[in-house]
Amino acid sequence: GAVVSQHPSWVICKSGTSVKIECRSLDFQATTMFWYRQFPKQSLMLMATSNEGSKATYEQGVEKDKFLINHASLTLSTLTVTSAHPEDSSFYICSAPKRLAVSTDTQYFGPGTRLTVL
Amino acid sequence: DAKTTQPTSMDCAEGRAANLPCNHSTISGNEYVYWYRQIHSQGPQYIIHGLKNNETNEMASLIITEDRKSSTLILPHATLRDTAVYYCIVIQGAQKLVFGQGTRLTINP
Repeated sequence: GAVVSQHPSWVICKSGTSVKIECRSLDFQATTMFWYRQFPKQSLMLMATSNEGSKATYEQGVEKDKFLINHASLTLSTLTVTSAHPEDSSFYICSAPKRLAVSTDTQYFGPGTRLTVL
Repeated sequence: DAKTTQPTSMDCAEGRAANLPCNHSTISGNEYVYWYRQIHSQGPQYIIHGLKNNETNEMASLIITEDRKSSTLILPHATLRDTAVYYCIVIQGAQKLVFGQGTRLTINP
């Protein structure tokens, strides 16, 4: 298999502060990583695609200036929630694709980070 | 714009086989069928994937119909730890995953 880690696993912060979440592929390299958000009792919603060495691609309706993504290396992507507000409280999950066979990649997910903004 | 249809919820007795159906009638020839599951408050876990042949691994079996318009994920001997939301996703290559609502599977003792 493949292992993707996230740090921190949970964080509580005050409204107006910024929070950084790290996503690492531990035993493989990933030029692309994905960030999802999940609200209670809902499915995962893709926020953005993180691209190593270039700008992230954001899904429609996701504010790029609020959710800063940096993919500094082939094993690390970071998501910074800037000026966090209570409505940003959610479960943030990253994934990274690993090629298992010709013509198809399999996404491996991190354990998630639960963000609570007071 | 989910490409799959799954039942909202299912129940299965512990020790029995859990069969989870998925309809993907608009699947194209180069799209794979992937199955993931998400246990409460965890990240999704990859289970299995296939193109047109049936597949089996240590976790599950995937049965794809000959016309590829539907598939079934089989957990041969379900345990309480298999209680989760199961997602069936069709995808081509390295495309981003789009999650539907999935099937909430409850394994009962």
